[in-house]
Amino acid sequence: DSGVTQTPKHLITATGQRVTLRCSPRSGDLSVYWYQQSLDQGLQFLIQYYNGEERAKGNILERFSAQQFPDLHSELNLSSLELGDSALYFCASSVGVGQETQYFGPGTRLLVL
Amino acid sequence: GENVEQHPSTLSVQEGDSAVIKCTYSDSASNYFPWYKQELGKGPQLIIDIRSNVGEKKDQRIAVTLNKTAKHFSLHITETQPEDSAVYFCAETGTASKLTFGTGTRLQVTL
Repeated sequence: DSGVTQTPKHLITATGQRVTLRCSPRSGDLSVYWYQQSLDQGLQFLIQYYNGEERAKGNILERFSAQQFPDLHSELNLSSLELGDSALYFCASSVGVGQETQYFGPGTRLLVL
Repeated sequence: GENVEQHPSTLSVQEGDSAVIKCTYSDSASNYFPWYKQELGKGPQLIIDIRSNVGEKKDQRIAVTLNKTAKHFSLHITETQPEDSAVYFCAETGTASKLTFGTGTRLQVTL
């Protein structure tokens, strides 16, 4: 158990809908990262937050957004969902920024029908 | 941009044999290289990592070597066991915090 929690574990929704994925980092970690894992793209970095502020952005679609709250939990919002958004979404956390160990949560499996 | 190549994509070994997975990277600023193990239905789990000021690191049956000049690093698992069967990912990060992952190696340890 990495100490990173994610909810829900599974999510099934329809095209055009909006969903919110939630992540709680390990106790003491200030950085939260979101990654997408799909069969064709592999594990891809989406976005990072550090202590409530956006720190780095990857190839995140404009339909996707995230935030980190004062209690350090983070939410990833996916809107106008398309079939191709079906994937595993992982949250990871680390103590700070830079070349630090990232601990991954169990993921949320999203299926868009 | 950053790119990490990982080989092989699948690897089958007999229990007790060694397994080696290799990765190459392109960003000369990369200086942190973790390896993750992912079991079915679970998130990636860190198994070992190495930083650019070290050429080799070992933890029991697992070792990682780094050649910064050639820009490649390798994972070595000795005395493989059935519970080592999983998908293994190499990754790298440089000045930014984000991890760039390899494409994964599916390791199968047969009895």
